[in-house]
Amino acid sequence: LAKTTQPISMDSYEGQEVNITCSHNNIATNDYITWYQQFPSQGPRFIIQGYKTKVTNEVASLFIPADRKSSTLSLPRVSLSDTAVYYCLSLSGGYNKLIFGAGTRLAVHP
Amino acid sequence: GAVVSQHPSWVICKSGTSVKIECRSLDFQATTMFWYRQFPKQSLMLMATSNEGSKATYEQGVEKDKFLINHASLTLSTLTVTSAHPEDSSFYICSAEKVLAGVGTDTQYFGPGTRLTVL
Repeated sequence: LAKTTQPISMDSYEGQEVNITCSHNNIATNDYITWYQQFPSQGPRFIIQGYKTKVTNEVASLFIPADRKSSTLSLPRVSLSDTAVYYCLSLSGGYNKLIFGAGTRLAVHP
Repeated sequence: GAVVSQHPSWVICKSGTSVKIECRSLDFQATTMFWYRQFPKQSLMLMATSNEGSKATYEQGVEKDKFLINHASLTLSTLTVTSAHPEDSSFYICSAEKVLAGVGTDTQYFGPGTRLTVL
């Protein structure tokens, strides 16, 4: 499993686009990058998953460059309700033992 | 969809008693489920991997006789905290692994968590 590194915290304002970058220099060929969002006293919520290039869903976009050593989660036009901790993890097919890092604590201000 | 439920959502018990927490995958079958523990202001810590029909695999430092795990069916795993003590008070979260056919890889979906308070 690749170790991931992401900023401890970020601040933004309502309506802005937020980009959270995750570094995973040792990502394996079979690993996918997966992002989760966690609010206080709740379980993590799956946001998006990708292998390379760009993936978009109704919540976010995920950009993964060709070398796959990093990825960027993009949240368009954040609102106060996007204040949460965001975790970047690598998953590979089969036995998926997730080891959570500290995550990125995003604070969205009015 | 991929919905995972936990029951109860919170529990308060006296020191020395046992508490059982249920984790259910509601709309998919999960051969593998995971149990995590999270203390305030900290990240999730994996406790054990629960496999349907076999013994759970515990992470280093987690007492298997204290945290009993039973994965009785493809949609249900239970965690029993035996002889609970105040230091066991924490937020317990389960996840269930959904196998994706085709594009993507197996993904874990998490339950809402169970807040355990031991007095």
